[in-house]
Amino acid sequence: EVQLVESGGDLVQPGGSLRLSCAASGFTFSDYAMNWVRQAPGKGLAWLSYISSSSSTIYYADSVKGRFTIYRDNAKNSLYLQMNSLRAEDTAVYYCSRRSYSDSWGQGTLVTVSS
Amino acid sequence: DIQMTQSPSSLSASVGDRVTITCRASQGISNYLAWFQQKPGKAPKSLIYAASSLQSGVPSKFSGSGSGTDFTLTISSLQPEDFATYYCQQYSIYPLTFGGGTKVEI
Repeated sequence: EVQLVESGGDLVQPGGSLRLSCAASGFTFSDYAMNWVRQAPGKGLAWLSYISSSSSTIYYADSVKGRFTIYRDNAKNSLYLQMNSLRAEDTAVYYCSRRSYSDSWGQGTLVTVSS
Repeated sequence: DIQMTQSPSSLSASVGDRVTITCRASQGISNYLAWFQQKPGKAPKSLIYAASSLQSGVPSKFSGSGSGTDFTLTISSLQPEDFATYYCQQYSIYPLTFGGGTKVEI
């Protein structure tokens, strides 16, 4: 069974940093591209970033470009999102998902940016 | 960026109804279109990819159609567990973009 489990969400002050993790199991992680998607409270889904299986191709949404960094460790079956210069508008539940069309999702981890 | 426009934004329906949700892309995306279901407090669930391919384990009451710019998601006979918010997403061109969602209510 495919499982994606996010962690690392927390309350952080504006301007702060946070690293999210996504632990994958039940499939050959190194064969699949991955994404980060977020959902602000009461809002819709917003795609943030994509990384190919080998990390050779990476894309970002304009809203996080230059502040967030996606990376992966295929040996550890893990996906990461390093988030710097956090703003109040980054407050959201953050999900990792598999493949460009997100066939599997984690349960999400809540990031709250507030002083 | 490709804009995805869903309609309606919400709808009221009854158990047993046939429901259709539409999604329009601002430019052609071939069949690179996915549909998701999300219930309150839960992660989205994949229903359909490639516009009309049913994800494994998803009941056949869900169906998708369309190509190019216009797409539909149909629920053939609405059941209580189908009351949720539905999103479309294009994965033809980065940045990937989602529709605004359609809330299906009783």
